[in-house]
Amino acid sequence: NSKVIQTPRYLVKGQGQKAKMRCIPEKGHPVVFWYQQNKNNEFKFLINFQNQEVLQQIDMTEKRFSAECPSNSPCSLEIQSSEAGDSALYLCASSPDNYAEQFFGPGTRLTVL
Amino acid sequence: GDSVTQTEGLVTLTKGLPVMLNCTYQTTYSPFLFWYVQHLNEAPKLLLKSSTDNKRTEHQGFYATLHKSSSSFHLQKSSVQLSDSALYFCALSENSGTYQRFGTGTKLQVVP
Repeated sequence: NSKVIQTPRYLVKGQGQKAKMRCIPEKGHPVVFWYQQNKNNEFKFLINFQNQEVLQQIDMTEKRFSAECPSNSPCSLEIQSSEAGDSALYLCASSPDNYAEQFFGPGTRLTVL
Repeated sequence: GDSVTQTEGLVTLTKGLPVMLNCTYQTTYSPFLFWYVQHLNEAPKLLLKSSTDNKRTEHQGFYATLHKSSSSFHLQKSSVQLSDSALYFCALSENSGTYQRFGTGTKLQVVP
């Protein structure tokens, strides 16, 4: 079973509010990914880290999200100003490598009212 | 650029029948292919993986063979069970350093 921990499991925010979620990767995994899974179950890659450094991120993440993976603290993903279209399941995954198998947490389900 | 294609959105089968879920990919690098399964309200978890051409890999009754000549990694099972009802995602990595690409997923629905 995956040991990736995500909190909170559910998050409800109003439009324009900040929404922050956290992820503790599996021990020994230096690579962390964030995905958005929409209501059609499609995965959208948001950002990934190797140790504390950003490897890649999409344009949307760069503009409206802030994310970090500090050493000895949970990784976090924060939407600066929530929009209705941000309602989705946010999945965190960790991996020993950028191209190896990924281990997923249970996700944070965000609802933006 | 790199991409993964899953052609079936929904597959409905009667228990005991065989299944094949299609996955094709596009990359110019050496590929690593994965199948993940996501049961309702659960996290996706790895089902199978391969980077070796023409070698069958198996787990929990499911199997797949990476065919680089046809850029395919189809998932098969000889006899589906009710508990196999889930979402199945094919994913592609390669060693150029870019992130793993996921297909759009196939929902497998097994009925009695």
